[in-house]
Amino acid sequence: SVLTQPPSVSGAPGQRVTISCTGSSSNIGASYAVHWYQQLPGTAPKLLIYGNTNRPSGVPDRFSGSKSGTSASLAITGLQAEDEADYYCQSYDSSLSGYVFGTGTKVTVL
Amino acid sequence: QLQLQESGPGLVKPSETLSLTCTVSGGSITNNNYYWGWIRQPPGKGLEWIGNHYYSGSTNYNPSLKSRVTIFVDTSKNQFSLKLISVTAADTAVYYCARLPSGSGTEWFDPWGQGALVTVSS
Repeated sequence: SVLTQPPSVSGAPGQRVTISCTGSSSNIGASYAVHWYQQLPGTAPKLLIYGNTNRPSGVPDRFSGSKSGTSASLAITGLQAEDEADYYCQSYDSSLSGYVFGTGTKVTVL
Repeated sequence: QLQLQESGPGLVKPSETLSLTCTVSGGSITNNNYYWGWIRQPPGKGLEWIGNHYYSGSTNYNPSLKSRVTIFVDTSKNQFSLKLISVTAADTAVYYCARLPSGSGTEWFDPWGQGALVTVSS
């Protein structure tokens, strides 16, 4: 994958966790937007954040996105058991002329 | 509310062609505000973009799959389809269809179909 994420992050209920997404000058660094998806076990990915910082209707405000330089981050505040899932970032890459996903991060609620 | 549903054979033999169809309900596939795409996920692994079909009729494919992939639309059935030729075991994956809002490199995938597992095996 062109976008690198930590394999796993964990936190206790109520805590704040962040997931990084590191790209390069041909994707995130080229000002292409970053989007985030949540994939619960056995289900299809669901859009969580679009356009770097925007939440679709119905997504709790515990989820927030940010972007700086060639990286982006997803923050989950007030971690809940239902947040245990895989999370993926996604952007566009000009050298590939196509879409790229992050390597994925498994969030575990302790 | 827009919904997408993948359908097709769950088992394909090596060297043969994988064919999947995505049926769109709750909206028109001819809406020029959107693109239509395919993504796959091998068991236990991450997501890989396969390609998109644009309302103009043009397509864009992942360079790693470009020589084997075709995506096309059937407007009469409000469906779009994926064909992947010369498959191997490495093509075993859950295949998802999704919609993208039209843009210039800012697009995201939403909503997604529930996914269809395709196994390549003799």
